[in-house]
Amino acid sequence: NAGVTQTPKFRILKIGQSMTLQCTQDMNHNYMYWYRQDPGMGLKLIYYSVGAGITDKGEVPNGYNVSRSTTEDFPLRLELAAPSQTSVYFCASSYVKGMSYTFGSGTRLTVV
Amino acid sequence: AQSVTQLGSHVSVSEGALVLLRCNYSSSVPPYLFWYVQYPNQGLQLLLKYTSAATLVKGINGFEAEFKKSETSFHLTKPSAHMSDAAEYFCAVSDTKGTALIFGKGTTLSVSS
Repeated sequence: NAGVTQTPKFRILKIGQSMTLQCTQDMNHNYMYWYRQDPGMGLKLIYYSVGAGITDKGEVPNGYNVSRSTTEDFPLRLELAAPSQTSVYFCASSYVKGMSYTFGSGTRLTVV
Repeated sequence: AQSVTQLGSHVSVSEGALVLLRCNYSSSVPPYLFWYVQYPNQGLQLLLKYTSAATLVKGINGFEAEFKKSETSFHLTKPSAHMSDAAEYFCAVSDTKGTALIFGKGTTLSVSS
């Protein structure tokens, strides 16, 4: 009963490096989401997916890319990391669109 | 556009006191509303949700919230605070397309003995 699993939990990147944040869910949810959380700012939607092969931009997509080749996996790619991407990233999934998310435990990313 | 405003970024109460966390929403369509809790270094957990059934919604850990359309509010309450309630609380509303949730900025609840 893993739910939503995110890896890694922590990462330090240098400016200009790239990385992929992994997200996997085992609940057969069609809907998956990536948010970033910054202190005092709440959560902002980066990208979301309504099923395998279908993704769309959220409120803050610049500097990120996603793919959804399977129902289970929804990786988030950072190209050319910048200090402004220092944040905590959360992946979530839901059975019904836009409702009752199950969240992963987050990835804390620092770009230096 | 949908939005939520959480009044008070930090609320402090004594153990056993009433907890009241305020959330006001703006929505062009009948809203679906949620409260989530985040304990330190963890993801968010669903406390309760309003989906147009009963206006008084009961959640986990003794929390409840009342949907008041006339006041565009969805405040979270608990009659008696416990030390374990110390956490950050987020109010959220479904976006206009029902695609994703829009979160407030959060309220940190501190509980003192």
